[in-house]
Amino acid sequence: EADIYQTPRYLVIGTGKKITLECSQTMGHDKMYWYQQDPGMELHLIHYSYGVNSTEKGDLSSESTVSRIRTEHFPLTLESARPSHTSQYLCASSVTQNTEAFFGQGTRLTVV
Amino acid sequence: KQEVTQIPAALSVPEGENLVLNCSFTDSAIYNLQWFRQDPGKGLTSLLLIQSSQREQTSGRLNASLDKSSGRSTLYIAASQPGDSATYLCAVRRPPAGGTSYGKLTFGQGTILTVHP
Repeated sequence: EADIYQTPRYLVIGTGKKITLECSQTMGHDKMYWYQQDPGMELHLIHYSYGVNSTEKGDLSSESTVSRIRTEHFPLTLESARPSHTSQYLCASSVTQNTEAFFGQGTRLTVV
Repeated sequence: KQEVTQIPAALSVPEGENLVLNCSFTDSAIYNLQWFRQDPGKGLTSLLLIQSSQREQTSGRLNASLDKSSGRSTLYIAASQPGDSATYLCAVRRPPAGGTSYGKLTFGQGTILTVHP
């Protein structure tokens, strides 16, 4: 059973607002990831963290930013939301980069 | 560039049938391959992980095989049930490259499975 949680599950917000999507895991995993998934499309990595205070951009360019101050938390922030940011955002974690990845339930973001 | 293809894109079967989902990848230099299921509007649930040195993994009614040299994996579901209806995704992880510290996980587009009573 994966212990990785995302909040909120659903968010509808107006253009220009600042938002933070939360991701927490209780498994003590060093590696954490943020993926973006549009409906019917494959997942694309947008951020990766290999430990506290260590983050990298993923393959898909994103205007979002992340932080990793604590092992358990990997929040994603959009300073000024736009309709183009409407998507599903999935957080994941793993012990190492070649072990099983566990995913949260996702946050479905709609920017109007 | 790694590309992952899943066939078929959608599959509809009556309850009780055994079925096979296919996944192919273009670059055989992988760490592992992982199968997930995704329910509509939900996150991903890990089903099976096969390391590059392994040939297959089994969990309950699921069996996944890996032929790294030919770039193929199959997910076999025995005695399908309506509760198996979901999108099934395969993902391959490559070793770190291109100055990054992570091994990229590349996903296929998934197979949408519907099992009807």
